[in-house]
Amino acid sequence: SYLLTQPPSVSVAPGQTASIICGGDNIGSKSVHWYQQKPGQAPILVVYDDTVRPSGIPERFSGSNSESTATLTIARVVAGDEADYYCQVWDSTTDHPVFGAGTKVTVL
Amino acid sequence: QVQLQESGLGLVKPSQTLSLTCTVSGDSISSGGFFWNWVRQHPGKGLEWVGYMYYRGNSYYNPSLQSRVTISVDSSKNQFSLTLRSVTVADTAVYFCARGWAGRGRLDSWGQGTLVTVSS
Repeated sequence: SYLLTQPPSVSVAPGQTASIICGGDNIGSKSVHWYQQKPGQAPILVVYDDTVRPSGIPERFSGSNSESTATLTIARVVAGDEADYYCQVWDSTTDHPVFGAGTKVTVL
Repeated sequence: QVQLQESGLGLVKPSQTLSLTCTVSGDSISSGGFFWNWVRQHPGKGLEWVGYMYYRGNSYYNPSLQSRVTISVDSSKNQFSLTLRSVTVADTAVYFCARGWAGRGRLDSWGQGTLVTVSS
């Protein structure tokens, strides 16, 4: 089964930029989706198909994907961005979605 | 705007069957192009895909759960359901239902989640 690797945690000061990486074998050939999950809440899709922001998601959230690493970037971080972030792809070999283990973003 | 809402018993005894229903509003579950998912999250852990089904199509399950899980649909009620048999304490988790887009597989709409505790 396809594996996605995320760092367990990222810390960032308010106003700075947070970069959350997601690694996988030839992940650049897949479409990567990103979810934000705050405690006690359901995940929210914040970026899909590598770079697309759903309606209502701030422009501060952006995504990129190349070769072996996909990245979710949060610019001008605010306290409300503190959450767990999960990457997800579609494993075409097994025909099901695969999630990364998640990265906890802490705003200092 | 599509909305999903989970319902079902929050406490199940070991060896018994967990049953949850997801009610979909704002979209027809029989519309093409989507697949309907169950995802769970153990306390303090990450997201684990449980399974999904296409309306009028096949169902796919996490291999680790395949022998115990069934996902079915009731199109007349615009609902889909999860059945997990022979539960153990390891099945204690928050269970989410979610709509997925066929093709690239993003899950764009989620229910709020429901905690199911397996305990005697």
